[in-house]
Amino acid sequence: EAEVAQSPRYKITEKSQAVAFWCDPISGHATLYWYRQILGQGPELLVQFQDESVVDDSQLPKDRFSAERLKGVDSTLKIQPAELGDSAMYLCASSPGGLNSYNEQFFGPGTRLTVL
Amino acid sequence: SQQGEEDPQALSIQEGENATMNCSYKTSINNLQWYRQNSGRGLVHLILIRSNEREKHSGRLRVTLDTSKKSSSLLITASRAADTASYFCATDRYSGGGADGLTFGKGTHLIIQP
Repeated sequence: EAEVAQSPRYKITEKSQAVAFWCDPISGHATLYWYRQILGQGPELLVQFQDESVVDDSQLPKDRFSAERLKGVDSTLKIQPAELGDSAMYLCASSPGGLNSYNEQFFGPGTRLTVL
Repeated sequence: SQQGEEDPQALSIQEGENATMNCSYKTSINNLQWYRQNSGRGLVHLILIRSNEREKHSGRLRVTLDTSKKSSSLLITASRAADTASYFCATDRYSGGGADGLTFGKGTHLIIQP
């Protein structure tokens, strides 16, 4: 069964350092999402891609976060510099997407980031 | 910001009993979804109910949707230890349809006692 892949699964870094997370969506899924989940909360959308284009990054802290999906397949989320408050689970999801589709999303296992 | 709010925040029941959790949301939606998350893992999609549907079943799951009250409920019948997890409702961020990002509630943490 096809799955969304994420790496690394765990990342520990010191504040002010740069970190990067990678996501490979299910093959053929046009829409890719990055969510951040703070412990005890539900996921919050950071950025949404349709193919290689950003559709929604209204909740992405653009002063330190960046995301790209250059070839419309896999994606990278970067934080530079990391802050203590960035400690969270970063989840990637994909969906077949497209107009008039009902968006069941398929989630990867997540990357747990700890900033010291 | 969180649109959905689940109730209760935590629920502990005996194996074999039914578990009911509720979700309220604020704005109009195209559909509402329920997801399960086992401790420290990714989310798994359980069921999607469209705004023009009132009830939907999938195995031991029953979901209702009341758009006039902006609320939904998830019923898990004949609970099993493996149902122990956090359950989240999620709604479309925008009402224009299409593959929109989701807005999640804070979740209900369900514990099934053996």
